[in-house]
Formats: sequence, structure tokens, C-alpha cells
Amino acid sequence: GEDVEQSLFLSVREGDSSVINCTYTDSSSTYLYWYKQEPGAGLQLLTYIFSNMDMKQDQRLTVLLNKKDKHLSLRIADTQTGDSAIYFCAEIGTGTASKLTFGTGTRLQVTL
Amino acid sequence: NAGVTQTPKFQVLKTGQSMTLQCAQDMNHEYMSWYRQDPGMGLRLIHYSVGAGITDQGEVPNGYNVSRSTTEDFPLRLLSAAPSQTSVYFCASRGIAKNIQYFGAGTRLSVL
Repeated sequence: GEDVEQSLFLSVREGDSSVINCTYTDSSSTYLYWYKQEPGAGLQLLTYIFSNMDMKQDQRLTVLLNKKDKHLSLRIADTQTGDSAIYFCAEIGTGTASKLTFGTGTRLQVTL
Repeated sequence: NAGVTQTPKFQVLKTGQSMTLQCAQDMNHEYMSWYRQDPGMGLRLIHYSVGAGITDQGEVPNGYNVSRSTTEDFPLRLLSAAPSQTSVYFCASRGIAKNIQYFGAGTRLSVL
């Protein structure tokens, strides 16, 4: 079945850029997503990219998609302490019954 | 704008007890799903539904039942709770036309 992989932990200094990486196996992925989960909270959709795009920028967030290598990344510019959270990569295939497959999540720790 | 509403937020059960986790959405979404979140394992799909009267199993369905009698509601039933079902449960919904999945705030369940 489909698989999505992420590293478990990333630590950055406040003000630096963070890059969270994700790889996936489903070649029929249509959308790829980044969700943010703060402690004790649900999942908040941060951004998403359609599979025919290779980049999407939204304020401090930049998503890069390398479809050939099945690699997705999320760059957060000028990382703040409020960005500390778990970030989940997810993908969905084609069809109305397509299921969202999540990675294990990357815990981002922002230090002063 | 209620979105996806889950109740209860917290629950403690004894082994062998049964209970129902409630999920309701007010966005007229066709697709609803239940996930469980465990440390280091991301979100795993339990059951999903593509419309009223239609349900199907996800990745980890054992020990759980679902039904979808209306578009709005998608309850998850634990028939005989086990300690292995201690987890955080998330309900989600999305429309068929737009692949944006919205999540509830979660139910934190402990089985003793």
C-alpha cells in the first residue's frame, strides 16, 4: 500500500529557516498536504499542493514538490517559537473513495 | 461555523466496557473518516464512509464499528474496550469535489 515517511525530529533556532522533508510512494497522488498539530490540539491544514505543481508559496511557507523523486518539503522562513508543533505530511490518490495517507509526523522544536 | 464536532473530548473506560464516540459535521460533506493517533505512528485510518449508508474498513478496523445513517453523523463504536485502544481519536470530513479534509479536535481515550 501507500507509504509516507518523515524524519521524527527537527530542532532550529528562532529566526532561522526550517525545512521539513517527506517522501511518499504513491505515484498516483493527486494532492499533497502539510498539517500542523500543536500540543493537545487537532490537525490544522497549513497548505497543500496539487501534483502538477512543483512549488507553492504562502507567506512564510514554501512547499516544494519533486514528483520524479516523490519528495515533498515544507520550508518555514523566519521560524518563531509559535511554530513549535508536529508537522504531518499527507497524500491522497485518485477517486472519490481515496484515502488520506499520513506520515508519522516531524516534531519541530524552536530554540531561542 | 462548527465544522467537525467530536464528543466527548476525554473519556476513561475500563476494559470490556463499550462506548460510542460521536462525530458530526455541518458542511454537507460526503466523505467522513475516523483515525487514531499513537506516538511515533502518525494517524492510522480506522473506518471511512463515502456517503450515507456506505462504510468501509481502513487500516486498523478491528475492535471498532461504524454506521452512517445520515450525511452529518458518523459515530465510532467500541464494543469491548481494550487497553490497546488507548489513543487519541480524530474524525474528519471532506467534500468529494474538493480534496480538503477537515479534522475535529479529537477524543482522548484511556482504557484501564
